[in-house]
Amino acid sequence: EVQLVESGGGLVQPGRSLRLSCEASGFSLAAYAMHWVRQAPGKGLEWVSGISWNNGDIDYADSVKGRFTISRDNAKNSLYLQMESLRTEDTALYHCVKAPRWRDAFDIWGQGTMVTVSS
Amino acid sequence: EIVLTQSPGTLSLSPGERATLSCRASQSVRSNYLAWYQQKPGQAPRLLIYGASSRATGIPDRFSGSGSGTDFTLTISRLEPEDFAVYYCQQYGNSRTFGQGTKVEIK
Repeated sequence: EVQLVESGGGLVQPGRSLRLSCEASGFSLAAYAMHWVRQAPGKGLEWVSGISWNNGDIDYADSVKGRFTISRDNAKNSLYLQMESLRTEDTALYHCVKAPRWRDAFDIWGQGTMVTVSS
Repeated sequence: EIVLTQSPGTLSLSPGERATLSCRASQSVRSNYLAWYQQKPGQAPRLLIYGASSRATGIPDRFSGSGSGTDFTLTISRLEPEDFAVYYCQQYGNSRTFGQGTKVEIK
């Protein structure tokens, strides 16, 4: 079964850091673009960041630029999101998402990992 | 940043009726890189339409997408009980952005 499983979420104080991980199963993510999309409680979807299969293209939403870093380890079939200087408005369910190509829609979604930023 | 505005915010319809959802972009979407997703409570979104009008794998043909440039439409020809959900449009031609969503609820 093709699956993306996120981990690393939790409760963190404002200003602190957190690293999210996403492991693919049932396929190799090495050939695909990967993204993070978040959803605050009761709110809509917000794209956070994306990375192409070979790291040649990397992009961030303005709301996280300079604070978040996306990376991948194709040998470990994994995607990561390093989040620094967290703010209360970063509180959300973070989904790991696959796209067939860099300029493509998101065809596989993980169930998400919850990040709560609160003092 | 391309802003996507979806309308209406909520659509109240009965099973068997036709649903028409709109997504308007603040500037032209390059190469019609426009997708539609369905999200049900407690679930991750599911891709319905990509490239403005191509159905994703396994999506029933009652779902159709149309439009180009700045105006796009998702049509559900006859609503089934499982179609009541929130629908989001997304552009992926200039970075990526989502619309705010349209909720299709049972009347």
